[in-house]
Amino acid sequence: NAGVTQTPKFQVLKTGQSMTLQCAQDMNHEYMSWYRQDPGMGLRLIHYSVGAGITDQGEVPNGYNVSRSTTEDFPLRLLSAAPSQTSVYFCASSYSSAGEQFFGPGTRLTVL
Amino acid sequence: AQKVTQAQTEISVVEKEDVTLDCVYETRDTTYYLFWYKQPPSGELVFLIRRNSFDEQNEISGRYSWNFQKSTSSFNFTITASQVVDSAVYFCALSEGDDKIIFGKGTRLHILP
Repeated sequence: NAGVTQTPKFQVLKTGQSMTLQCAQDMNHEYMSWYRQDPGMGLRLIHYSVGAGITDQGEVPNGYNVSRSTTEDFPLRLLSAAPSQTSVYFCASSYSSAGEQFFGPGTRLTVL
Repeated sequence: AQKVTQAQTEISVVEKEDVTLDCVYETRDTTYYLFWYKQPPSGELVFLIRRNSFDEQNEISGRYSWNFQKSTSSFNFTITASQVVDSAVYFCALSEGDDKIIFGKGTRLHILP
């Protein structure tokens, strides 16, 4: 099992560009989520999904879109990148929000 | 709204000392789950423990122990006889009925040799 995979590992964008951070898991987990980690701010929930076709907003959803067309994949889209979105992004999955979260290795995004 | 507070931003202790990391939470639900995660310098996030709101038993796993007290809304984490490998950022997290998992800001722990 690969667990939770994220691509790319690093990305540099210019302000206004769009991109998609990929997240996939092979554990048949229903629950998936995206977090951003900034110095001194801990992990902040962006969006989450309790199953295919269902997504909801977390603490800091503005500027991000998600979709969940399959159980395995949960991509995060940045619509128009801003310097404030410079961060490390983690994807996680688990059988439910009550369970142990398995985290991907993270994507370090820099927006110039 | 749920909230997790880790008041200790950074702690430094000398190796072999005991250290306690504090976690205070706020929730309106009677059913909820608390977690601790470790993030070593390599950056990955590692699960340590999960506790549900109906189980107030303290837990010990080797040098790690957790004290859950609903009366004070706290879920503190103690490392006994700390080691350099315990140096990391530790996060406390809360999950309640709305399926959101909220993390605290973390405590950076330095174990000095």
